[in-house]
Formats: sequence, structure tokens, C-alpha cells
Amino acid sequence: GQQVMQIPQYQHVQEGEDFTTYCNSSTTLSNIQWYKQRPGGHPVFLIQLVKSGEVKKQKRLTFQFGEAKKNSSLHITATQTTDVGTYFCAASFGNEKLTFGTGTRLTIIP
Amino acid sequence: DGGITQSPKYLFRKEGQNVTLSCEQNLNHDAMYWYRQDPGQGLRLIYYSQIVNDFQKGDIAEGYSVSREKKESFPLTVTSAQKNPTAFYLCASSVGGSSYNEQFFGPGTRLTVL
Repeated sequence: GQQVMQIPQYQHVQEGEDFTTYCNSSTTLSNIQWYKQRPGGHPVFLIQLVKSGEVKKQKRLTFQFGEAKKNSSLHITATQTTDVGTYFCAASFGNEKLTFGTGTRLTIIP
Repeated sequence: DGGITQSPKYLFRKEGQNVTLSCEQNLNHDAMYWYRQDPGQGLRLIYYSQIVNDFQKGDIAEGYSVSREKKESFPLTVTSAQKNPTAFYLCASSVGGSSYNEQFFGPGTRLTVL
């Protein structure tokens, strides 16, 4: 089946350092969404990217969609303890379903 | 207070027993979804429903069954045919069935089969 590869699986950073997670597909995507799941919680929607080369920002978070619409990234500048959690991308290949990546678990070292 | 509720939060069952997980939403959403989450594997789609009285298999439907008799409710039955049922189960809903719609998740049910 169609898959979305997400890397890295884990990331440990010092508080204040930057963090980036990547999602890659071998097939062109129609759209991609990003979700955050806090420890012990449930996924919460962050943003959706639809257009080729699209860049969206939410405070310290920057989301990008590749020019070929086959990859996406989430970058957090100057991480804080509140950023702890697992970040998932969720992509569509042109049907009504979303395929979730395996997630990147971010831990912050104070 | 709008949202999605799942009950119970923790569920224990003996091997060979069927068990039904509840999911209710009062968001007036047409589409509802069931996902299974295992460590290191992200969320995998079990079943989804875009409208009342209709549902489709997801990527890992074997050993599961659902019904959608009411717009607000989408219960999931984990049958004894599911070989590895211990997992965290998440229900979600969205305004419509398009992949462009944001999905809202419930708090989840952690099922342990002994």
C-alpha cells in the first residue's frame, strides 16, 4: 500500500535548540496535515498544506510542502518544554483517506 | 460542550471474547473513523464511515466490525478473530469525508487482552 515515511523516530534536544521532522513519499500527495500528540493524550490537528512549495508558520513552528508535493517538514525554533510530544504527518494520495506517518517523538532536556 | 467521547478509558478482556468500544460525537460531523495505535507504528485506519448507514474498510479491518446506525455513534467491535487486539484505539470525526477535512480525535481506549 501507499506509505509515508517519517524521520527521525525519536529526537532528544536541549531546551532552546531547534527541531525538525520530515515526511517523505514516493508518490505525489494531494495534501498533508500535521498533528501533535502529547504524552498520554490524543492527536490534535496543527495545520494542513495543499499547494506545491507552500510554507506556513505558527509562532515558532514552520511547515513546508515540497515543490513536487512528495515531502513535507515541520521545524520548531527554540524548543520549549511545552513542545514535548509526538508529531505525526498525515497524507492523502488523492482518495478520502489519510495515511499517517509513524511519528517523531520529541523529548526536551531542560 | 462539543467533542468526541470514548469509553471506557481502559478495558481488559480475556482472550477469545468479543469487546465493543464506544465512540460518540456531538459535533454534527458526517464522517467518523477508527484508528489503532501501536508503539512505533503511528495510526493505522481500521474502518471509516462517511455517512450514516455506510462504512468502508480501512487498511487493517480484519478481526474488527463496526456499525453506523446514528450520526453521533460509531461503535467498534474487536472480535476474537483479531490476533493481536491489545492496543490503543482512537476514534475521530470530521465535518465531511474528504481528506482535506481536519480530524478531531477522542481521548482513546486502551484495550488489554489477557
